[in-house]
Formats: sequence, C-alpha cells, structure tokens
Amino acid sequence: GQNIDQPTEMTATEGAIVQINCTYQTSGFNGLFWYQQHAGEAPTFLSYNVLDGLEEKGRFSSFLSRSKGYSYLLLKELQMKDSASYLCAVRDEGTDKLIFGTGTRLQVFP
Amino acid sequence: DTEVTQTPKHLVMGMTNKKSLKCEQHMGHRAMYWYKQKAKKPPELMFVYSYEKLSINESVPSRFSPECPNSSLLNLHLHALQPEDSALYLCASSQAPGEGAYEQYFGPGTRLTVT
Repeated sequence: GQNIDQPTEMTATEGAIVQINCTYQTSGFNGLFWYQQHAGEAPTFLSYNVLDGLEEKGRFSSFLSRSKGYSYLLLKELQMKDSASYLCAVRDEGTDKLIFGTGTRLQVFP
Repeated sequence: DTEVTQTPKHLVMGMTNKKSLKCEQHMGHRAMYWYKQKAKKPPELMFVYSYEKLSINESVPSRFSPECPNSSLLNLHLHALQPEDSALYLCASSQAPGEGAYEQYFGPGTRLTVT
C-alpha cells in the first residue's frame, strides 16, 4: 500500500525556524518532492530529493533518509508569506505517479 | 517560460451541461496530468498523458473525458457531472520519464461548481 504521513497543522513565529516532517511507506520510490500551496492557488515546486542527505535552497532545505522512509522540510527566517500548506509527494517507481501526503498547514504569526 | 495556463478560472455548470477545461504549456514537456483537489485535501491524480498518449487513468468515471490534441494542449471534457464533482481541477506538466528530475509544474486551476 501507499502511505504518506505529515502533521496536519503547525504554527510558528515570524523569524523562527520550523521543520515539517514526512514519513512514507510506498511500494516503490523514485524521488520525493515538496510543494508549497497557498489557499486557492496551485502547488509550486520547492525541492526534490532522490539521494540521502540535505538539499539547501535559500531559506528552504529538504532532507531525505531512504532507509528510514523519512524526509523533512526546514524553513528558516520565517516570513508571514510562508503561511501555506506544504505537500510532501513521493514519485512511484513503476508508474512515475506522484503520491501526495495529506499536507501540513503552516500558520506564521507575527 | 515555466508557466502552465488553464482556462477558465471559474466554471459553474448544471448537471446536464457539457463543458471543457483547457490546459496549455510551452515548456516542451511531454507528460501532462489532470488532478482533482477538494478543499483542505491533497491533489488526487486523475489522468496522465505521456507523449500524447493516455498512460494512466485512475479509474475516473466516464463523465470525465481527457483529450491531448498535441504536445502542448490538454483538455478535460465534462458531461453529466454530479455536485460532488465540484472541486479545483489542476493541470500539470513535466518532462517525460527518463528525461530527468521532472518535477511537475502546476497551472492555477479551474474552480468548478456543479449545481
């Protein structure tokens, strides 16, 4: 079966650091993606991990451990505009489909 | 140009109507996707086209009919929909399998309301 878990909601303060975790159990694995989605808008691509380790992109970093079926998205120097849903998605190896987690709604407070 | 466009932005239709959603990309991507997204839920895959051929149909009811006229265009024809089909319909595109990392780029979506 395919199972991708994320916390439903998180809150944080402007300027702080927040880590959004994602655990997955999928029948195949060909990469993990993080997307940001503001309410009523399309998801926008943030990061891609296929090998273990940390990928850094400005204020956002993403980590992957394939042996543990675990990833996290790290957001630094939080800004109000970072309030959004963050979707973890695993690409299935056989079909290349993206399997999305339920998403984490992040609220950033002043 | 990393843009996927979708028209219309909003659509209200009755259960007996026939309408179409349109999607276009000019990134040279050879894979295109339709997703359905309900409020506060993740996108659910409906169809995948790879090199203009339907490669995945996620057991979508036949009242949804996809079409890929060429490598840049993707349509979703709607007929006899139900109120529970009201949702945000997202189109996405990516490089085809084997061509690289192929993250999916999403369009802004069509907000569909079935009355």
